Amino acid sequence: QKEVEQNSGPLSVPEGAIASLNCTYSDRGSQSFFWYRQYSGKSPELIMFIYSNGDKEDGRFTAQLNKASQYVSLLIRDSQPSDSATYLCAVDGNNRLAFGKGNQVVVIP
Amino acid sequence: DTEVTQTPKHLVMGMTNKKSLKCEQHMGHRAMYWYKQKAKKPPELMFVYSYEKLSINESVPSRFSPECPNSSLLNLHLHALQPEDSALYLCASSQKNWGGEQFFGPGTRLTVL
Repeated sequence: QKEVEQNSGPLSVPEGAIASLNCTYSDRGSQSFFWYRQYSGKSPELIMFIYSNGDKEDGRFTAQLNKASQYVSLLIRDSQPSDSATYLCAVDGNNRLAFGKGNQVVVIP
Repeated sequence: DTEVTQTPKHLVMGMTNKKSLKCEQHMGHRAMYWYKQKAKKPPELMFVYSYEKLSINESVPSRFSPECPNSSLLNLHLHALQPEDSALYLCASSQKNWGGEQFFGPGTRLTVL
């Protein structure tokens, strides 16, 4: 089992809709969880981090963490064309940050 | 100043060249990292500077050599690279020695001919 899994394929959402991204992790001892946004050809940009079970909201973004089920999700409300990017889930563990393979989001105007 | 800077932005080098990538952060962060990222893949950790020492991912070839002149600078020396080493090289820093948010620089796009 991979450390961090993002299994969904490219996600196409209409402008204004909600984009939902999921991520599961294998290390039960992980304490910190991150979502990065990466535009094509650019570096990853940290958009959300969450350490406690439950929801954390920041503007149009909501991160959800369920440690018992070992998953973390990201919701993007009122999706905009500028949200079109690859979203990387990252989890701390084994003295390093483990990344999922990423999910591409395409927002259709 | 809340950013990580990397130079150069682009680098093209031959397999016999020696070059260096530079990374600097002015945020007083305690840890710095080098990652390699191939197209459509997640970043792969190469080196970590934390607790005032360098840690090496043992899978990284010796043709990559990190150097940490001080706590705000992290260099990556390149020698005798292969075409498959062409990638985006990312530097990141974090406030804590371990754990906590990592902030990435803009990266250096490296092409090895």
